[in-house]
Amino acid sequence: GAVVSQHPSWVICKSGTSVKIECRSLDFQATTMFWYRQFPKQSLMLMATSNEGSKATYEQGVEKDKFLINHASLTLSTLTVTSAHPEDSSFYICSARLGPITGELFFGEGSRLTVL
Amino acid sequence: AQSVAQPEDQVNVAEGNPLTVKCTYSVSGNPYLFWYVQYPNRGLQFLLKYITGDNLVKGSYGFEAEFNKSQTSFHLKKPSALVSDSALYFCAVREPDSGYALNFGKGTSLLVTP
Repeated sequence: GAVVSQHPSWVICKSGTSVKIECRSLDFQATTMFWYRQFPKQSLMLMATSNEGSKATYEQGVEKDKFLINHASLTLSTLTVTSAHPEDSSFYICSARLGPITGELFFGEGSRLTVL
Repeated sequence: AQSVAQPEDQVNVAEGNPLTVKCTYSVSGNPYLFWYVQYPNRGLQFLLKYITGDNLVKGSYGFEAEFNKSQTSFHLKKPSALVSDSALYFCAVREPDSGYALNFGKGTSLLVTP
């Protein structure tokens, strides 16, 4: 299957700093990637759809200025958590689509963010 | 609107016994249904999907799922559980005309005891 890589796997930062998480499709091109957020023992909540070469589409309730998404190439999407606060601590997972709409999404290994 | 429900927070089963993880869906059209598995602090791994065709879908690691349109269900099954199957299982749905993102259920924790 297709491989999606996320980096970093773990990150700890101080409150008020910004953190960037990278999502790469290693063996395929992804015009669309998705960013999910997962709280402990809860489901995945779609944050935004990242579109190569255009602005991301954010889900209702997700702050665009807080969670900056850039999809500069067909293999890379980045999520930047700006001015992070402890409530931003979470598990962030990216995914990418390969093939038609009937195809499954391939997920990265996730990035655990802890804001002190 | 599309949604998927997993009524059980946890399922316990003894190794060697059959297992079932339940999922029901609510969509306005014909759904695309998926099952994923997640191990601790890891991303999601694809198990199987139903798009069209046979109602019984076979997937990875011996798992299968049965699409039941009348009951709007897509339960995940395995004839003989392994301890290594212990993980968090997510059912997901996508409506054909809703874009490519998946809408996930809350997840069911499966515990297989020796």
